Amino acid sequence: GQNIDQPTEMTATEGAIVQINCTYQTSGFNGLFWYQQHAGEAPTFLSYNVLDGLEEKGRFSSFLSRSKGYSYLLLKELQMKDSASYLCALMDSNYQLIWGAGTKLIIKP
Amino acid sequence: GAVVSQHPSRVICKSGTSVKIECRSLDFQATTMFWYRQFPKQSLMLMATSNEGSKATYEQGVEKDKFLINHASLTLSTLTVTSAHPEDSSFYICSARQSVGPQAGPQETQYFGPGTRLLVL
Repeated sequence: GQNIDQPTEMTATEGAIVQINCTYQTSGFNGLFWYQQHAGEAPTFLSYNVLDGLEEKGRFSSFLSRSKGYSYLLLKELQMKDSASYLCALMDSNYQLIWGAGTKLIIKP
Repeated sequence: GAVVSQHPSRVICKSGTSVKIECRSLDFQATTMFWYRQFPKQSLMLMATSNEGSKATYEQGVEKDKFLINHASLTLSTLTVTSAHPEDSSFYICSARQSVGPQAGPQETQYFGPGTRLLVL
């Protein structure tokens, strides 16, 4: 079966760096996605990794290690508007998305 | 690019009435659209997957006769909540995906609409 784990909640300081980890177990893999969801809003796409390594996109970077079943989302120069839930989602062999429960990130001044 | 719209954004209706929600991919053709429901402070819950021109696949526990899905074109899917009751009040979100395979790639990204907040009185 499939399983995704990410921390429930994290707190960080404005201007700092935070890393949100996601570990998974799956028999089939077609990529890993990160989405951001602000309270009361729909998720927005942040990143997609299907090969090992780091993908950088401005202040956000995402890393994948398929052999370790591990990904992280790295947020730099944190801003108050980055306070949101960050959802890790695994695409399985049937191209279905398996969602993590999300990590609520709280940014403090 | 990759914009998905949803209409209406908010709807209030009386118990027993039906509500239709539209989901459109504005700048790409979506072979597959997904309908999710999310209750306050809970995770996204996939309700159904619909492929253009075929019947939707519903997740376990989702009543297909109550939540009617039509995906008649590559840019439009509709969800109709029939005979809505207060317990159907929720945040309904659609997403659209361009295609899958033959190799995993960005075309498999799901892009979300802004959601529809349904309140049934």
